[in-house]
Amino acid sequence: AQSVTQLGSHVSVSEGALVLLRCNYSSSVPPYLFWYVQYPNQGLQLLLKYTSAATLVKGINGFEAEFKKSETSFHLTKPSAHMSDAAEYFCAVSGSGSARQLTFGSGTQLTVLP
Amino acid sequence: NAGVTQTPKFQVLKTGQSMTLQCAQDMNHEYMSWYRQDPGMGLRLIHYSVGAGITDQGEVPNGYNVSRSTTEDFPLRLLSAAPSQTSVYFCASSPLLPGSHNSPLHFGNGTRLTVT
Repeated sequence: AQSVTQLGSHVSVSEGALVLLRCNYSSSVPPYLFWYVQYPNQGLQLLLKYTSAATLVKGINGFEAEFKKSETSFHLTKPSAHMSDAAEYFCAVSGSGSARQLTFGSGTQLTVLP
Repeated sequence: NAGVTQTPKFQVLKTGQSMTLQCAQDMNHEYMSWYRQDPGMGLRLIHYSVGAGITDQGEVPNGYNVSRSTTEDFPLRLLSAAPSQTSVYFCASSPLLPGSHNSPLHFGNGTRLTVT
């Protein structure tokens, strides 16, 4: 079975500051890892994904994440926060074999302060 | 260019009532699923389907039924609503299983359900 832990249910940063959202995973097989973003009153949208190619993954809106197997981490970063980045962010890990379902973390609400 | 469409957007039920949440996708995706989202718990998988006529249980299936008679539609039925089913429900679809390469989940905008 796989699981995901997101450290920090709420993160606040100033506009222009570095964004760092933490995600650690547990998986018995090499995982696929994902970050999704949810804007208010909307469904989730895929930000980026790791599927065992490059360990540094670039996504939409200037976000990127680095897969670190030794630390079982997949933290999401953005060098400079924008007001429009305020949203809830979910890390997810896939299962294996025929049951490649996604297991989501509990989410991190990002607030961007002016 | 509709994607995944969920109806209704809001619903209030009394304990014991039944209802069906509708989900339709126009992308010819084989995989469809229902999640519920509760504060501090992320999204939890209720039921999923890997194609017409095939459904299976997810992490929290109790109190819910699904069917998949067509590729496009995947309704979620609440048999006898309980306050514990107050939640936001999301339908999602993908070309293949969501953990597969190049098969990201596409989400609807959700149904906010309150059971009193």
